[in-house]
Amino acid sequence: KNQVEQSPQSLIILEGKNCTLQCNYTVSPFSNLRWYKQDTGRGPVSLTIMTFSENTKSNGRYTATLDADTKQSSLHITASQLSDSASYICVVSAQGGSYIPTFGRGTSLIVHP
Amino acid sequence: EAGVVQSPRYKIIEKKQPVAFWCNPISGHNTLYWYLQNLGQGPELLIRYENEEAVDDSQLPKDRFSAERLKGVDSTLKIQPAELGDSAVYLCASSLGTSGSADTQYFGPGTRLTVL
Repeated sequence: KNQVEQSPQSLIILEGKNCTLQCNYTVSPFSNLRWYKQDTGRGPVSLTIMTFSENTKSNGRYTATLDADTKQSSLHITASQLSDSASYICVVSAQGGSYIPTFGRGTSLIVHP
Repeated sequence: EAGVVQSPRYKIIEKKQPVAFWCNPISGHNTLYWYLQNLGQGPELLIRYENEEAVDDSQLPKDRFSAERLKGVDSTLKIQPAELGDSAVYLCASSLGTSGSADTQYFGPGTRLTVL
């Protein structure tokens, strides 16, 4: 069964600090992995997408990494800001067949001033 | 450019009542998705439309849920009758092409349903 596990479940950091969120998956055969940011009361917004051949992708202060061998991804946030407070969701899609992405439960990040 | 529009934003109903949600995707987007998101969980795909054709509807509980996308533009998701366990946020998303997972999905703000 395809699964996406995220850790930690929640995280509290001080403004200006860095943090790293983890995503482990068992989706196979792998097609792509996305990280989404979901603000409270809003729909998710795509931050990055990586395919099998990519091992890092940046979007401003967000940097995602992918290790397709160990089936792990991380999202690193540099110099956190109050507006980074949100849920970060890892989504993995499989190749071929019916398109049903597997969503993680998300990591809830709170950035304190 | 307007994003994905959903209405209503909030809905409170009593169990066994019907309810409908409406979604207007981004103009020109061929693919439309309906998701269900429970509190503290990631979204779960209910149904995906490519133009007006429903594909990937295996996750849709067809005994009480129905969806339509007439003319391949806006879409309606209906629950009849609603149950207590249907309380959740219903998200609509759209993407430009029909290449499946490679397309970026743009999500609406969702409709928060509370069933009493």
